Amino acid sequence: DQQVKQNSPSLSVQEGRISILNCDYTNSMFDYFLWYKKYPAEGPTFLISISSIKDKNEDGRFTVFLNKSAKHLSLHIVPSQPGDSAVYFCAASSYNTDKLIFGTGTRLQVFP
Amino acid sequence: GAGVSQTPSNKVTEKGKYVELRCDPISGHTALYWYRQSLGQGPEFLIYFQGTGAADDSGLPNDRFFAVRPEGSVSTLKIQRTERGDSAVYLCASSPHGTSGTDTQYFGPGTRLTVL
Repeated sequence: DQQVKQNSPSLSVQEGRISILNCDYTNSMFDYFLWYKKYPAEGPTFLISISSIKDKNEDGRFTVFLNKSAKHLSLHIVPSQPGDSAVYFCAASSYNTDKLIFGTGTRLQVFP
Repeated sequence: GAGVSQTPSNKVTEKGKYVELRCDPISGHTALYWYRQSLGQGPEFLIYFQGTGAADDSGLPNDRFFAVRPEGSVSTLKIQRTERGDSAVYLCASSPHGTSGTDTQYFGPGTRLTVL
């Protein structure tokens, strides 16, 4: 049972435009959500997170939106840059546990 | 400062052999995690250490998998009687406290294990 789902395996966006990556979850006990970015042959790198008490968190070009009623979160990157090309993983955890549950990832390609 | 390091970066072994994978966490981090990433999948939780003790080993797939962290820093993931299905990238992560559920986990580059 996939508790965290990223239904789009890939996304292609032109440089300067907005990239929107989506993530859905099924476990209502999740209360902390994260996005990680992964380049080939490297480990995942933390990007941004959001607590369930918020519906938006912004850090520079990156904004994460959380819709608890829909059990949906999204990552917005604006403006997109070629260096943003990577695989993006959505992850979730519960307050009483530190293990992260990851989605299957979305490969973002930003072209000039 | 130095990040999480993992050795070896690649390991090729034969079915039935024993392997050890090592993780050096960020200095001072009390929490350490092991994940496994199969092709086309996201990382999958295996085990979590708080200090020297395994606080959650619910992700270990079976008793062929075992992990230790005897001094609360370096950890070793041990796999006995390896099977072809064990082939994956094994990722290690550490975090400063690991007790709040909101600690950021910092990942190493992983060890790619191939079982022939």
